[in-house]
Amino acid sequence: RKEVEQDPGPFNVPEGATVAFNCTYSNSASQSFFWYRQDCRKEPKLLMSVYSSGNEDGRFTAQLNRASQYISLLIRDSKLSDSATYLCVVMRGNKLTFGGGTRVLVKP
Amino acid sequence: DVKVTQSSRYLVKRTGEKVFLECVQDMDHENMFWYRQDPGLGLRLIYFSYDVKMKEKGDIPEGYSVSREKKERFSLILESASTNQTSMYLCASRRQGNTGELFFGEGSRLTVL
Repeated sequence: RKEVEQDPGPFNVPEGATVAFNCTYSNSASQSFFWYRQDCRKEPKLLMSVYSSGNEDGRFTAQLNRASQYISLLIRDSKLSDSATYLCVVMRGNKLTFGGGTRVLVKP
Repeated sequence: DVKVTQSSRYLVKRTGEKVFLECVQDMDHENMFWYRQDPGLGLRLIYFSYDVKMKEKGDIPEGYSVSREKKERFSLILESASTNQTSMYLCASRRQGNTGELFFGEGSRLTVL
C-alpha cells in the first residue's frame, strides 16, 4: 500500500462550481500535511498547509481528519486558472512524502 | 525572488552513458533534494542532503549518486544510464527545520535511448 494515495482524476469541473477531493495516508505518525499545486509542465509549488482545525485561503479550504487518516481540499467558485494537478504531501520528522496527485480540469 | 535552477531542461542520452544533472539554489538553504516524477507514481525521493558534504539515500537511490561540495549546488549523477531512468527529475531546496515548503526547480526531462 502506498504511504500517500490520491484519486488521479481527472475531475472535470464547470467554471464556478465547487470541487472537493481527498488524500489518504497510511502512517498514523504523520505530523504535518500540505497541498501543493503543479501546473502542466511546471514545477510543484506549495498551495497551503493543512491545520488540525481546518483552514481557508480564499476559495480553498483544507481539512484534516486524523481518525480516518485523510486530508481534503475543497475549491469553491472554480476558475479556469484552477486547472492543475494537486499534490498531497505528508511529513513525518524531516521526511516529505508526495501523493501521485489529483488532476482538476475546470471548463467554461 | 527565490530561485532553484536546473542546468538542463531536456537531455537525451544513450544507455550506458554517464549523466550529470546540476542544481543550484540562491536562497542559502541547507537542505536539498532530488526527486523523479513519473506518471502514476508521483514524486519519489532519490537522495537528499541536509548540508554541505552530507547526503542521505531516499526511497529509490539505486543507480544514482549525488555530490554536494558547495552549499548552493547539489548534483545528481547517473553512473551508467539505463532506459528505466527516463523520467522528469526535479531538484528542490528547503531551509533548515521542519518546514514543509520545498522550492523546486523547473525540472530536467531525461530520455535514455
